[in-house]
Amino acid sequence: DIQMTQSPSSLSASVGDRVTITCRASQHISSYLNWYQQKPGKAPKLLICAASSLQSGVPSRFSGSGSGTDFTLTISSLQPEDFATYYCQQSYLTPLFTFGPGTRVDVK
Amino acid sequence: QVQLQESGPGLVKPSETLSLTCTVSSGSVTRYYWSWIRQPPGKGLEWIAYIYYSGSTNYNPSLKSRVTISVDTSKNQFSLRLSSVTAADTAVYYCARHNKADYYYYGMDVWGQGTTVTVSS
Repeated sequence: DIQMTQSPSSLSASVGDRVTITCRASQHISSYLNWYQQKPGKAPKLLICAASSLQSGVPSRFSGSGSGTDFTLTISSLQPEDFATYYCQQSYLTPLFTFGPGTRVDVK
Repeated sequence: QVQLQESGPGLVKPSETLSLTCTVSSGSVTRYYWSWIRQPPGKGLEWIAYIYYSGSTNYNPSLKSRVTISVDTSKNQFSLRLSSVTAADTAVYYCARHNKADYYYYGMDVWGQGTTVTVSS
């Protein structure tokens, strides 16, 4: 089965910081990689699909890149509302829609 | 704006069957894929199953033997049944719509608020 890993598992950052989260797939998944943001007690929110396609309404400070097995989510200038947990998700190999373990972004 | 609402019992006894329904409002189940995802307390997300409006399904192999997903286009609903539950099935259960009509690859863009299901006697 495919495995998804994320690094770091958590990070502390300040408003205005550039934040980078890495997601790695154990097998090649082309660009079938999605990113979500989840705040406590809320449902996940889709930020980016197909590795780099920004969802409508998502601020342009969010960006995604990568293909194959290595992917990155970047927040160019962290805002107060961005403190949350971020998950990657693959949608190519069985079991479909495997999520990474999450990266928690909190206040430094 | 499409909205999803999960409904079902919040407490299920061990060995019994968990049944949840997701009602789609301000939109139609037609042409989309629909999924169930769960999140145990303090843990990450686990995809359970998807269904296309036509009835085509796909299940997480780790749960496949216990899961049934179905759709009722006349009621604009889809449902989940998970049999032989244990405490390990205690979680928040979300229903979600896949991002693009007729495709399942591009993530889930509309989610219900989630419903907490506890398995306990």
